[in-house]
Amino acid sequence: GQSLEQPSEVTAVEGAIVQINCTYQTSGFYGLSWYQQHDGGAPTFLSYNALDGLEETGRFSSFLSRSDSYGYLLLQELQMKDSASYFCAAPNAGNNRKLIWGLGTSLAVNP
Amino acid sequence: NAGVTQTPKFQVLKTGQSMTLQCAQDMNHNSMYWYRQDPGMGLRLIYYSASEGTTDKGEVPNGYNVSRLNKREFSLRLESAAPSQTSVYFCASTLAGQETQYFGPGTRLLVL
Repeated sequence: GQSLEQPSEVTAVEGAIVQINCTYQTSGFYGLSWYQQHDGGAPTFLSYNALDGLEETGRFSSFLSRSDSYGYLLLQELQMKDSASYFCAAPNAGNNRKLIWGLGTSLAVNP
Repeated sequence: NAGVTQTPKFQVLKTGQSMTLQCAQDMNHNSMYWYRQDPGMGLRLIYYSASEGTTDKGEVPNGYNVSRLNKREFSLRLESAAPSQTSVYFCASTLAGQETQYFGPGTRLLVL
């Protein structure tokens, strides 16, 4: 089967950099997505990595290493509004229209 | 563009009651999804529809039925609600070949 593992909680301070890791186990792999969800809100798409390497979008970057079955989301210059849950997700190897989701990482940004 | 809309936003049901959750998207997306989200469980796929006229089971389909009424609308029906179905339900859609899923605001359901 497929699974994605990520830490349940991460704490950081404003202005800092934080990295949220995601390791995956899958017989087939297409790529890794990241979503952000604020309390009471809906998940919103942040990034997708199909190839190895770093993708940068403003203060957020996402990295993928297929050889290590590993990716991470990097958040720089943390702001209080970045306090949210972050989910990694990957297309199902058997049916890539379906996503397999990690359980989410709750990020708390403190003053 | 309204994106993905869901109704109702909140609902309280008694055990055994039925209801239909509505979802619509105006982005001309092919695929639509229903998820439930419970504390500590992440997002779990209930059903999805790859295109108009097709539906398929996800991880947790028991107790639910779906209808892809047309390209825009995808409804989720609980025929006989149970307390275990208390959850937040999200509808999402995506364009074929794209990775981004767009989510509706969610329906918070409490079954007593």
